Amino acid sequence: SQELEQSPQSLIVQEGKNLTINCTSSKTLYGLYWYKQKYGEGLIFLMMLQKGGEEKSHEKITAKLDEKKQQSSLHITASQPSHAGIYLCGAESGYNFNKFYFGSGTKLNVKP
Amino acid sequence: DVKVTQSSRYLVKRTGEKVFLECVQDMDHENMFWYRQDPGLGLRLIYFSYDVKMKEKGDIPEGYSVSREKKERFSLILESASTNQTSMYLCASSFVWGSTYEQYFGPGTRLTVT
Repeated sequence: SQELEQSPQSLIVQEGKNLTINCTSSKTLYGLYWYKQKYGEGLIFLMMLQKGGEEKSHEKITAKLDEKKQQSSLHITASQPSHAGIYLCGAESGYNFNKFYFGSGTKLNVKP
Repeated sequence: DVKVTQSSRYLVKRTGEKVFLECVQDMDHENMFWYRQDPGLGLRLIYFSYDVKMKEKGDIPEGYSVSREKKERFSLILESASTNQTSMYLCASSFVWGSTYEQYFGPGTRLTVT
């Protein structure tokens, strides 16, 4: 089965600082999804990457998929308290596109 | 906006009880999923369904069953609840569109089995 490893597991940053979260796959990624979860709630879709080398941005969040399609990074610029939450990467199973795998998540706290 | 709703936000049940968790989506999605989320383990897929009356086991189906009689509704059933099924349960749905499978999640049900 596909495994997604996220690092770091948790992160505390001062407001205004930049940060990066990584997601590494044991297999080639067919589609990599980033979600954000506010504590105790459901997941909110952030963005999806498919092509090697692809980069997408939404407001102050940028996600990249490396050329080999086995690692993705999520970068937040000038963090704000509203960025706090749990960030999860998810990926489609290459042989069964109806199945999804998630990383264990990165818990982000932003100190005002 | 896509809306995925779950029947309860919080639920407390006793060991041995039969528990029903309901999920409804309003976007005519073909796929629906049930996950459980536990600290340190992330989200784990219990079951998913790609059509009415169709289901497939995920990674941890033991102790659970599902029902999908209508396209918009996907139910998770704990036949005899046990304390190790205390968890956050998340339902999701997605459509099959091109090569993207963006999932939309419900708010979650936090189940405690005592």
